[in-house]
Amino acid sequence: DVKVTQSSRYLVKRTGEKVFLECVQDMDHENMFWYRQDPGLGLRLIYFSYDVKMKEKGDIPEGYSVSREKKERFSLILESASTNQTSMYLCASSFVADFPSSTSDSSEQYFGPGTRLTVT
Amino acid sequence: LAKTTQPISMDSYEGQEVNITCSHNNIATNDYITWYQQFPSQGPRFIIQGYKTKVTNEVASLFIPADRKSSTLSLPRVSLSDTAVYYCLVGANTGNQFYFGTGTSLTVIP
Repeated sequence: DVKVTQSSRYLVKRTGEKVFLECVQDMDHENMFWYRQDPGLGLRLIYFSYDVKMKEKGDIPEGYSVSREKKERFSLILESASTNQTSMYLCASSFVADFPSSTSDSSEQYFGPGTRLTVT
Repeated sequence: LAKTTQPISMDSYEGQEVNITCSHNNIATNDYITWYQQFPSQGPRFIIQGYKTKVTNEVASLFIPADRKSSTLSLPRVSLSDTAVYYCLVGANTGNQFYFGTGTSLTVIP
């Protein structure tokens, strides 16, 4: 079974602190993602990485940075945490499937359990 | 970026078939259509994925018309444990072209 683990389930930080959220996957997936989830807003993509040291901005990258030094690990960094970054953070990974023919190859994303971050 | 539109919420009685439709008018040629299920305090879980026509697995069916501008997730004979949020996702497997949206909150009533 694919396993995506996140370093903490719950985290409380103070405004201005630097925060690291770690994500590790054990299936040699090329793609890794960081989302945040807020009530009424669904899941929003923060950053995406398709290879080591490669990253792409998602819909809401402001206030965040990421690091992918090894294929299995994708870190989300809040340089200076603010109260509006209080949220549930979800990490996911997937492999790169071939272009679909009549039957699609699954490119499903496997999600971790999430980290509920509170910034006070 | 292909954004999706789904109903915000739906109610259904146990044992009924539930159909949740998703609109994705700007779907691109190499986009998949994928549905996820999410229970409270958990990450989303893959249900089914398709590109065109119909796909069926052990938990759901996915119907995609020829123009691919919408899709319908069909859950046969729902039970209370199917109460969850269901997300329709359209995107290619490469690039940051993923949009989850707010999902459809399904409540199954006894």
